[in-house]
Amino acid sequence: EVLLVESGGLVVQPGGSLRLSCAASGFTFDEYTMHWVRQEPGKGLEWVSLISWDGDSTYYADSVKGRFTIFRDNSKNSLYLQMNSLRTEDTALYYCAKEMKPRRASCYGAWGQGTLVTVSS
Amino acid sequence: DIQMTQSPSSLSASVGDRVTITCRASQGISNYLAWYQQKPGKVPKLLIFAASTSQLGVPSRFSGIGSGTDFTLTISSLQPEDVATYYCQNYKSAPITFGQGTRLEIK
Repeated sequence: EVLLVESGGLVVQPGGSLRLSCAASGFTFDEYTMHWVRQEPGKGLEWVSLISWDGDSTYYADSVKGRFTIFRDNSKNSLYLQMNSLRTEDTALYYCAKEMKPRRASCYGAWGQGTLVTVSS
Repeated sequence: DIQMTQSPSSLSASVGDRVTITCRASQGISNYLAWYQQKPGKVPKLLIFAASTSQLGVPSRFSGIGSGTDFTLTISSLQPEDVATYYCQNYKSAPITFGQGTRLEIK
């Protein structure tokens, strides 16, 4: 069974930093592109970032470019999101998501339960 | 960036009704289109991928059609458990984009 477990969400002040983690199990982690998606309370889904299976390619939403960094450790079956210069508008539930198909563009076959990030003074 | 526009933004229908939600891409995305269902307080669930392929275990009343820029999700006979928000997603290339969502309620 595919399992994605996010952690690291906290209350943080504007301008602060946070690192989210996603522990993966139940599949061959190093064969899948992974994503972070966020959802503000009561709002829609917003894609944040993706990283290719080998870590060589990363992409970011314009709203987080230059502030967030996605990376992965395939030896630990883990995905990360380093979040710097946090803003109040970054407040959201952050989901880790796994693509359906290995090594090719596909939609999400699995989601974690999410970790809540609150940016507030 | 490819913009995804869903309509309607909300919808109220009766049990047994046929319900249609549309999604339009600002440029062609072939069939790189997925539909997700998100029930209140829950994680999104994949319903349809490649515009028209149903995910395993999804009830047959859910179907998708479309290619290029125009896509449709249809629920052939609305059930009470279908109350949710539905999102389309373009996954052709980064940046990945979602529609703004369609909130579906029972009349």
